[in-house]
Amino acid sequence: SYELTQPPSVSVSPGQTARITCSGDALPKKYAYWYQQKSGQAPVLVIYEDSKRPSGIPERVSGSSSGTMATLTISGAQVEDEADYYCYSTDSSGNHWVFGGGTKLTVL
Amino acid sequence: EVQLVESGGGLVQPGGSLRLSCAASGFTFSNYWMCWVRQAPGKGLEWVANIKQDGSEKYYVDSVKGRFTISRDNAKNSLYLQMNSLRAEDTAVYYCARDGNWGQGTLVTVSS
Repeated sequence: SYELTQPPSVSVSPGQTARITCSGDALPKKYAYWYQQKSGQAPVLVIYEDSKRPSGIPERVSGSSSGTMATLTISGAQVEDEADYYCYSTDSSGNHWVFGGGTKLTVL
Repeated sequence: EVQLVESGGGLVQPGGSLRLSCAASGFTFSNYWMCWVRQAPGKGLEWVANIKQDGSEKYYVDSVKGRFTISRDNAKNSLYLQMNSLRAEDTAVYYCARDGNWGQGTLVTVSS
């Protein structure tokens, strides 16, 4: 079955840039989506279709995709950005969706 | 405002059945694919199933195929997940989702 691979954890100091990667064989042809989940809360969409930001998501959050890797970038990370981040995409058929394993972002 | 409200979770014994419901409002339900996503305690997110606008196409993660059935009633703006032959590993919070909009989830616990 299709898999998306993320690093388990990323740690940065406040004000630094955090980059979270997601690799998958179908990403050259399929969009990546990114969700942020804070403890005890439902996930929130922060990036859709590789690089688009929903309303209400700060501009310091951005997304990109190249080849088999999608990247979520948080510029000037703040303590409030601490959360688990999940990438989300489909397999090559477009019918079966999958989440990456999640990346715990620590800002301290 | 898009609202998705799940219900139907609870405690069930292994091998038992449960039917989850999701009441949708704030958008034209019949225009959208809908899906179920779950999250086991302390674990990551897992896509479970999705269904086309008219119910003509349904897809499932391998681990629930043959046991779970997704369905919808566009007249009632409702999404369902019939879960049979439940196992301990199905224990999770189940979310109803449409694009980037999610409900708050309903907890399903499979235990004797």
